Amino acid sequence: DVKVTQSSRYLVKRTGEKVFLECVQDMDHENMFWYRQDPGLGLRLIYFSYDVKMKEKGDIPEGYSVSREKKERFSLILESASTNQTSMYLCASSLSGTGSIQYFGAGTRLSVL
Amino acid sequence: SQQGEEDPQALSIQEGENATMNCSYKTSINNLQWYRQNSGRGLVHLILIRSNEREKHSGRLRVTLDTSKKSSSLLITASRAADTASYFCALETSGSRLTFGEGTQLTVNP
Repeated sequence: DVKVTQSSRYLVKRTGEKVFLECVQDMDHENMFWYRQDPGLGLRLIYFSYDVKMKEKGDIPEGYSVSREKKERFSLILESASTNQTSMYLCASSLSGTGSIQYFGAGTRLSVL
Repeated sequence: SQQGEEDPQALSIQEGENATMNCSYKTSINNLQWYRQNSGRGLVHLILIRSNEREKHSGRLRVTLDTSKKSSSLLITASRAADTASYFCALETSGSRLTFGEGTQLTVNP
């Protein structure tokens, strides 16, 4: 079974802190994704990566950056956390190509105080 | 927007009844996928239907796709309390990127 592991289930940070959310997948997938999920807004894509060191902006990249130094790991970075970044963050991975299924981690619920 | 729109937003039924959720969209798609999310957890893939397919089955799930009407439906037959979850449609329009709808919250009462 594909396993996508997010480093924390719950995280509480202060405004202005630098925050790292880590995601690791064990199926040698080319693609990795970071979403945030908010009530009434569904899942929104922040960034995705289709190869090591490659990244593309999603629909809401402002205030975030990402890093993919190894194929299995995709990090989401909040350079200076703000209260409006309080949300559920979901990581996913998939094979490349059309018709690929995305496999999700359990999510990280981030609260920025 | 390339986002799918699910209808209804919330659905409450009794165990044993069928549940139908709909997804409408506005763009051309390569395929459409349905995912399920239990409360506070990640999403789990349920079924994929390609743009040249009209219907697919998987266990108690039946998915239809009408590309002329740009709509899809997910039918869960003989629902169980364990089916209580949020259900999302996801559109693939290019490459591997998916655009998710806002979801339908299904509650199955025992």
